[in-house]
This record gives sequence, C-alpha cells and structure tokens, in this order.
Amino acid sequence: DAKTTQPTSMDCAEGRAANLPCNHSTISGNEYVYWYRQIHSQGPQYIIHGLKNNETNEMASLIITEDRKSSTLILPHATLRDTAVYYCIVITSGTYKYIFGTGTRLKVLA
Amino acid sequence: DVKVTQSSRYLVKRTGEKVFLECVQDMDHENMFWYRQDPGLGLRLIYFSYDVKMKEKGDIPEGYSVSREKKERFSLILESASTNQTSMYLCASSIRTGVFETQYFGPGTRLLVL
Repeated sequence: DAKTTQPTSMDCAEGRAANLPCNHSTISGNEYVYWYRQIHSQGPQYIIHGLKNNETNEMASLIITEDRKSSTLILPHATLRDTAVYYCIVITSGTYKYIFGTGTRLKVLA
Repeated sequence: DVKVTQSSRYLVKRTGEKVFLECVQDMDHENMFWYRQDPGLGLRLIYFSYDVKMKEKGDIPEGYSVSREKKERFSLILESASTNQTSMYLCASSIRTGVFETQYFGPGTRLLVL
C-alpha cells in the first residue's frame, strides 16, 4: 500500500482558505487519494476523493499534481468547526483496506 | 445521507465481561467493518463482512468475534473483555462496487475496561 506523509499540525485563520498538503510519492496507477477528517471524539467523516483529476464538492476541493505524487485539500473558507484531524489516505481500487496515518491536526483560529 | 449508528457512545465494563457493540447502517451497504483506534496507532481493522453471515479477519482479530445476521447490522463481540481492549471502536460501511468503495463511519464507541 502506498504511504502518505502529512504535516503534523497547521493553523489557519477563520475565513481564510486552509490548504492541507499530502505527499504520496509511491502511489500507483490504480490507487485513489481519499481525504477524511475526524473531529474530536467522533468517527472519521468522508470529505472527498480523486484519482488524477482535480475534484470539488460542497465541502472542499482536491488538487492532485500531474505526476500524482502529492495532493492538496483546500477548505475555501475555514470555520472554527473545521478544527479537526485531517487524514490523507491512498486506496487501491477494489480493496477494502484503509490505512489511516497520524494525519494533520488543523486548528482554525478566531 | 449515509447513516451509520452505533449502540453506545460510551461504555464501561469489567475485566472478563462479555461485551456487545452494535452497528447499524441504513444505506443497504454490502460491506461493514469494525476498527479500533488508539493514540499513536491510527485505525486498525479488526473484522469486516462483505455479506450476511460472511466475515473476514482484519489485522487484529484476536480477542474479538463478529456477527452479521442481517445486512444492516454488524456486531462486535468481546468474549472476555480485558484492559488492553480499552479503546475507541469505530464501525464503517461501504457499498461494494468493485472499483472504489468509500467507507462511511459511525460516531464511535469509547470503551473502558476496568
């Protein structure tokens, strides 16, 4: 399974865009990039996923580099409720196996 | 919206007790999963099920068993609880597409074994 590397923690001012990077330099062609977040004492919440194209939904945007070795999750207007641990994980197509690392602890500051 | 519910948010049990954790999903998903989450160790897969009455061991099945009698319900059983099973337990479900299978998680059960 491809491994991911994320910064341990980040701060972001409320109302500003939060850009969370993820490195997955060993990703292979049939592996998807998924992002989840976990607010304190709750279960992980699905945010977005992508294969090679950029993706956007009501929660966030996902930018994947052309070589697919890294990606960035963008929360366009961070709010205090976005304070959470954000996990970037790589999933092989057709597999159930999710490997969550330690993620990035995002703190949105008032 | 996918909804995965777990029977308890917090549970306190004594060593040696039999513990049942229940998970229910309302989206007709084929796959269901049980994880535990511990600080510094991330999520670890205990068991999963891809159909009624079917189960597969995950990475850490020892000390646990599971039951899936109905499609929407997946139970995790601690036959004889021990203190090292104190943890956050997370249930998840996903539809089986054969391509990618987004997992949706429940709110978690925080179990303390005394």
